[in-house]
Amino acid sequence: KAGVTQTPRYLIKTRGQQVTLSCSPISGHRSVSWYQQTPGQGLQFLFEYFSETQRNKGNFPGRFSGRQFSNSRSEMNVSTLELGDSALYLCASSLPSSPLHFGNGTRLTVT
Amino acid sequence: TQLLEQSPQFLSIQEGENLTVYCNSSSVFSSLQWYRQEPGEGPVLLVTVVTGGEVKKLKRLTFQFGDARKDSSLHITAAQPGDTGLYLCAGIFGNEKLTFGTGTRLTIIP
Repeated sequence: KAGVTQTPRYLIKTRGQQVTLSCSPISGHRSVSWYQQTPGQGLQFLFEYFSETQRNKGNFPGRFSGRQFSNSRSEMNVSTLELGDSALYLCASSLPSSPLHFGNGTRLTVT
Repeated sequence: TQLLEQSPQFLSIQEGENLTVYCNSSSVFSSLQWYRQEPGEGPVLLVTVVTGGEVKKLKRLTFQFGDARKDSSLHITAAQPGDTGLYLCAGIFGNEKLTFGTGTRLTIIP
């Protein structure tokens, strides 16, 4: 069974630009969560989607948004990038009330 | 937002030694998970503990959940280089989302 796939693995953007990250969950998993990981703050919850609906949202500004498609694939978008947005963005999928399965992340560098 | 404190933040020991890392909160967990993350990869679940006082073993790793369900520990016996990684605890408080600690970065020196 294929794991969670995140693309791209690495991304370099300039301040003010926007970026879209993609996540393909494990087949059959309808819940997708996104996390931001930085050395100083650790893993911070961004949002969770289930069946194309956002179920939970973390404490991030409106520049961070996401969506989920009918095939459970998910994207997150960050607009007007800031230097502080440099981080590893992790996606995780799961079955209901089951543990998270993480992808290997997208490393975003904002210059 | 609930806080999970992990200690130590960094730990570097020789192969064959034993070690313990800790995860603490001022609030009661509904359940707690431990993950290990290796460089360039996402976190991988090691164990979930639910009952106060629960002890689970995974080969050389022993996980303990505090009686009051506010703390947990991970003990590794005879550490090996393959144990190197970032160890994360993550707790669920009531019906809230999973909250991660900041992690313990473990390095085992051959």
